[in-house]
Amino acid sequence: KQEVTQIPAALSVPEGENLVLNCSFTDSAIYNLQWFRQDPGKGLTSLLLIQSSQREQTSGRLNASLDKSSGRSTLYIAASQPGDSATYLCAVASSGGGADGLTFGKGTHLIIQP
Amino acid sequence: DAGVIQSPRHEVTEMGQEVTLRCKPISGHDYLFWYRQTMMRGLELLIYFNNNVPIDDSGMPEDRFSAKMPNASFSTLKIQPSEPRDSAVYFCASSFRRVGNQPQHFGDGTRLSIL
Repeated sequence: KQEVTQIPAALSVPEGENLVLNCSFTDSAIYNLQWFRQDPGKGLTSLLLIQSSQREQTSGRLNASLDKSSGRSTLYIAASQPGDSATYLCAVASSGGGADGLTFGKGTHLIIQP
Repeated sequence: DAGVIQSPRHEVTEMGQEVTLRCKPISGHDYLFWYRQTMMRGLELLIYFNNNVPIDDSGMPEDRFSAKMPNASFSTLKIQPSEPRDSAVYFCASSFRRVGNQPQHFGDGTRLSIL
């Protein structure tokens, strides 16, 4: 059964810093990995999707990498802003005979201090 | 373009009552997913449909939970009878799947409180 772990669970940094959020998964048989953002009381917004054949994806100040063999992904946020404060969730779509749904980590709660 | 639409946004009801959550997926999407989010367990997949057919309901916690998708534009998740431990945020998501290379799009969720 796929398990997804995110470290750290919470992070508070001053505005302007570059930061890295970590995600690990136990089964490397995946279709893709997605990073989501969730604001309080809101749904999930997809930030980046990395196919299993890809190494990284970039969108603006966000860069996500994937090392499938080691079961790891990182989300890099450059020049952080207070508006980046949210919970960031990593989710994996497994290809190993399981459900087509996503397996989620419990998220990293990020606070960017002005 | 309209995203995934869920209703109601909030539901407060008493233990033992029937609860029905509704979802309208993005037009053209052929996969629909129901997830539940709690503080203790995070986001968990309950059930998903492909072309209106339930494919995997192994995440449905108990027989009190049931889901239907009568057509491509509507799905319901029903809890009968409801219990306080069912309190959570329930999300619906949809995708147009091509060998797993499409993102899932989520609704804003239904915050359910069972008293």
